[in-house]
Amino acid sequence: DTAVSQTPKYLVTQMGNDKSIKCEQNLGHDTMYWYKQDSKKFLKIMFSYNNKELIINETVPNRFSPKSPDKAHLNLHINSLELGDSAVYFCASSQDGRGLGYTFGSGTRLTVV
Amino acid sequence: AQSVSQHNHHVILSEAASLELGCNYSYGGTVNLFWYVQYPGQHLQLLLKYFSGDPLVKGIKGFEAEFIKSKFSFNLRKPSVQWSDTAEYFCAVNAGSSASKIIFGSGTRLSIRP
Repeated sequence: DTAVSQTPKYLVTQMGNDKSIKCEQNLGHDTMYWYKQDSKKFLKIMFSYNNKELIINETVPNRFSPKSPDKAHLNLHINSLELGDSAVYFCASSQDGRGLGYTFGSGTRLTVV
Repeated sequence: AQSVSQHNHHVILSEAASLELGCNYSYGGTVNLFWYVQYPGQHLQLLLKYFSGDPLVKGIKGFEAEFIKSKFSFNLRKPSVQWSDTAEYFCAVNAGSSASKIIFGSGTRLSIRP
C-alpha cells in the first residue's frame, strides 16, 4: 500500500489554466505538507496542515490554495498558472506537528507551457 | 532564520571510494537533523536522523552521519560507495521556532562511475 499518494504524477498545462493536485496519506499522521522542488532540486516548504488546520503558510502567491477536507487529505489548487510554477510538487506527512521525519509522496511534475 | 548549507553541489566518485558529504546548519539551540536521498525520478527517502544521544548515527544502506555540535555540522559518510548510490542527497534540519517544519539544504548530486 502506498503510504503517501499523489495524483496526477505528471501534469502539462497551458499558462492561465487552473489545476489541482491531490494528496492522500494512509499512515494516520496528523500533519501534511506541500513542498516545491525547482529545476535546481531546491526544496522549499509551501504549506502545512495539522489536523485540517493551516499551521504554515510560507511566502507563496495567493494563486496557490491548499485544502484539507480531513487529516488524511491535503490538496493543492493553483489558479492562473504561470511558467514559473513549473516544478515538482511533493506532498509529505509526519506523525505530529513537529515535523520529526517526513514520509514523502512520489511527486507531481507540473509543466506549464 | 534557520538555514542549511551543503557546499558540495556535485560529487563524482568511483565505485569503492569513500564518501563524505558536508552539511552545516545555522541555529544555536536544540536541533533535529536528517539526511534524505532522492534516487533519479523518485521521491525523497529518509536515510538517517539525529534527535539526541550518540552523535554518530547509523542509517540504511551503510550510511552514517556524525553530529558535531561545536561545528554546527552533520556530515554524511559511507566507507565504500556503489554505483547504486547515484542520487541527490539532502541534509535537513528541524529546529526552534521552525520546529513544525523541516528546512532542506540545496542538495548534493552524487555520481558514481562504475
